Amino acid sequence: AQKITQTQPGMFVQEKEAVTLDCTYDTSDQSYGLFWYKQPSSGEMIFLIYQGSYDEQNATEGRYSLNFQKARKSANLVISASQLGDSAMYFCAMRERDSGSARQLTFGSGTQLTVLP
Amino acid sequence: EAGVVQSPRYKIIEKKQPVAFWCNPISGHNTLYWYRQNLGQGPELLIRYENEEAVDDSQLPKDRFSAERLKGVDSTLKIQPAELGDSAVYLCASSLRQGGHEQYFGPGTRLTVT
Repeated sequence: AQKITQTQPGMFVQEKEAVTLDCTYDTSDQSYGLFWYKQPSSGEMIFLIYQGSYDEQNATEGRYSLNFQKARKSANLVISASQLGDSAMYFCAMRERDSGSARQLTFGSGTQLTVLP
Repeated sequence: EAGVVQSPRYKIIEKKQPVAFWCNPISGHNTLYWYRQNLGQGPELLIRYENEEAVDDSQLPKDRFSAERLKGVDSTLKIQPAELGDSAVYLCASSLRQGGHEQYFGPGTRLTVT
């Protein structure tokens, strides 16, 4: 079974609008971490935001926020006020046993976001 | 602060030839990872080092792939011999062993096997 599922292969959003990228995950661990990375066409993976499974508040980093719904096992990324430079591939990832004993990241298949002028 | 450095950025080789990739992690980062990213997919872990010790290499195809991190700093990933299916981007990442949540990725090496 897929541990990280991103059901949107591609998304379009108008510049200055908000967009939500979906991510659902599957784990039996109680302690885990959820991540979002951005990968522009240049290829490097850029860390955006992190949510721990025990964090009660949704993580926010500037224009990025993570809509964490633990019971539904979803960790959607919300980008507010989209900019042309946000056009990229976005990956959701999970690290199980977030206490630090295992640090492998499992990635989803990604969502290609295109911001339209 | 310098980021994760990888070289070369691009490599084209014929099948059955050997190839090597080099990675220098962020200074002070004890943990180093090698990932493979196939076209249209997310990265998949090949091997993880804690200092010079390979602590997770279960996904590394050991018949043709090898890796080393002799002094616990920079690392080399080798494929010998390369096959057509090895065409992918090979990403190196590093993180602090204690604290810090994110892994910092290098720009990757795009390998094309013809």
